[in-house]
Amino acid sequence: AQKITQTQPGMFVQEKEAVTLDCTYDTSDQSYGLFWYKQPSSGEMIFLIYQGSYDEQNATEGRYSLNFQKARKSANLVISASQLGDSAMYFCAIPPLSGNTPLVFGKGTRLSVIA
Amino acid sequence: GAVVSQHPSRVICKSGTSVKIECRSLDFQATTMFWYRQFPKQSLMLMATSNEGSKATYEQGVEKDKFLINHASLTLSTLTVTSAHPEDSSFYICSARQGEYQPQHFGDGTRLSIL
Repeated sequence: AQKITQTQPGMFVQEKEAVTLDCTYDTSDQSYGLFWYKQPSSGEMIFLIYQGSYDEQNATEGRYSLNFQKARKSANLVISASQLGDSAMYFCAIPPLSGNTPLVFGKGTRLSVIA
Repeated sequence: GAVVSQHPSRVICKSGTSVKIECRSLDFQATTMFWYRQFPKQSLMLMATSNEGSKATYEQGVEKDKFLINHASLTLSTLTVTSAHPEDSSFYICSARQGEYQPQHFGDGTRLSIL
């Protein structure tokens, strides 16, 4: 079965610094993808970035980038130049093995950006 | 980008009332929608998978008669909390996707408070 592990329940980072949020996964799929979502205190889930397992380059979207290490089964999210608005819960997710089921989410990491 | 609209964003009502929550994919067709419940400081908990034109698939422990799901079209799914009680108070969030390896897009969620 698919599994996502996020080992950091909470993280603090100084404004303008970079921060890495950890995500490791377990899957028997040969081809898969990893997703990261942000959930601010208002509750909405915001899709941030996607990495395909066969993508040769690490995904980047603005200040977000993925440090994808396939051999280690890790897909860490890197946020550069942190802003106060980055304070939120961050969830890593992987698609299911069968098509008609939703993404499998980790337990999340709460990021707090300090001024 | 893909937009999912969820309405209402907040409901406060008396015990025994039934509450309907709507989830619409505004600019794409979603053959599958997902309903989640989220308790404070926890990850999303899948309640059910909703497929257009067929019965929803409920997760273990979720009462079908309590949480009625209807997916009448490719762009609309509804969750009705029947005869709601204070223990049903929670944050409910829907999600839709276009395909298996596409991101899930989320509604903004509904905060339900039963007095």
